[in-house]
Amino acid sequence: DTEVTQTPKHLVMGMTNKKSLKCEQHMGHRAMYWYKQKAKKPPELMFVYSYEKLSINESVPSRFSPECPNSSLLNLHLHALQPEDSALYLCASSQPSRSETQYFGPGTRLLVL
Amino acid sequence: GDSVTQMEGPVTLSEEAFLTINCTYTATGYPSLFWYVQYPGEGLQLLLKATKADDKGSNKGFEATYRKETTSFHLEKGSVQVSDSAVYFCALSKVAGGTSYGKLTFGQGTILTVHP
Repeated sequence: DTEVTQTPKHLVMGMTNKKSLKCEQHMGHRAMYWYKQKAKKPPELMFVYSYEKLSINESVPSRFSPECPNSSLLNLHLHALQPEDSALYLCASSQPSRSETQYFGPGTRLLVL
Repeated sequence: GDSVTQMEGPVTLSEEAFLTINCTYTATGYPSLFWYVQYPGEGLQLLLKATKADDKGSNKGFEATYRKETTSFHLEKGSVQVSDSAVYFCALSKVAGGTSYGKLTFGQGTILTVHP
């Protein structure tokens, strides 16, 4: 089973709202990733957690705040977003012994008004 | 730095036609190579992969061979179906020494449309 789940599937928020995206996997993977994807473009890496510790932050604005409460769960907290943050947000995970292979979730499509 | 170059699309084919999407890469070390597919409105699905030179990845009738001498990983399918219409991303991944996560480098993606 290589399933990564993400909720919600769609999200509309105003620029003053606070919302969270959730990602879950039960495959024993110990690295989890957040990506942002704009239409017709490849995904762009935002954050990497390895063994629940933040390992990479690709200079993401502080209005995006990641959290990894345990080895199965990854959250992305959103606050004071801008319309240009509207995108598909993808979560991925990889296992320690095969960490070159990432499995992606279905994504959350975010619209910021 | 590492990079992946895919043939520009969009690619439009008739059902049962032969498909080739070219992909070449530039990388130091020994990357693993991947093809991901993204159907409309969905996330990325791993289509196939190869982790060393001369490996052939295959899945759902798609194939790609890791060619180190030509730094290529071209995707092929002998007979496409309408349901293959999607965006295809070629990617490479390396695991930095001392870490347990990979970094993916994607190509720009190729839009494939298959007509009945």
